[in-house]
Amino acid sequence: GAVVSQHPSRVICKSGTSVKIECRSLDFQATTMFWYRQFPKQSLMLMATSNEGSKATYEQGVEKDKFLINHASLTLSTLTVTSAHPEDSSFYICSARDSGSYEQYFGPGTRLTVT
Amino acid sequence: KQEVTQIPAALSVPEGENLVLNCSFTDSAIYNLQWFRQDPGKGLTSLLLIQSSQREQTSGRLNASLDKSSGRSTLYIAASQPGDSATYLCAASNYGQNFVFGPGTRLSVLP
Repeated sequence: GAVVSQHPSRVICKSGTSVKIECRSLDFQATTMFWYRQFPKQSLMLMATSNEGSKATYEQGVEKDKFLINHASLTLSTLTVTSAHPEDSSFYICSARDSGSYEQYFGPGTRLTVT
Repeated sequence: KQEVTQIPAALSVPEGENLVLNCSFTDSAIYNLQWFRQDPGKGLTSLLLIQSSQREQTSGRLNASLDKSSGRSTLYIAASQPGDSATYLCAASNYGQNFVFGPGTRLSVLP
């Protein structure tokens, strides 16, 4: 079956630093990837839609200058949390949409803790 | 815009009971409806995916149904076990769009 990986699975960083999270589709091409965020005891909320070769589309209330998304290839999208603060601590999950079948597959998530 | 709700928010049952989790969505032009399980502090485990042309899917003790006209899906768990304790998330997607998640149902199965 289709596999989506995320790296790292867990990261702890200091306030003010930047953190990059990778999302890879391992056995299919993904023109579109989605980034979600999940705060404790809440459901997943869409942050942005990442499109290969073009700018990401951000949901209302998500700061594009703080959450930088780069989708430079058909198998890789990255989310960089810039100048992270403790309130950015969350579980970040990506999903990748198979360019052929249009089915979506989810990564295992990255837990970010900002101290 | 698609919106998803889930009832109940939490459920506690004794081991062995059959139970039903409910999911409602607002846009009937749904393409996929997917049920996930999430254990505390963990990622998503996909349980069942129902495409718009299907009415139900089954996997082991789990059965999920989809009624597009009424905007509802149910997840039926037979003979519940303590290991079934988790949060169950329902998510709906329209064609080519992202999944919209419900708030989840926290299930506790007591031994």
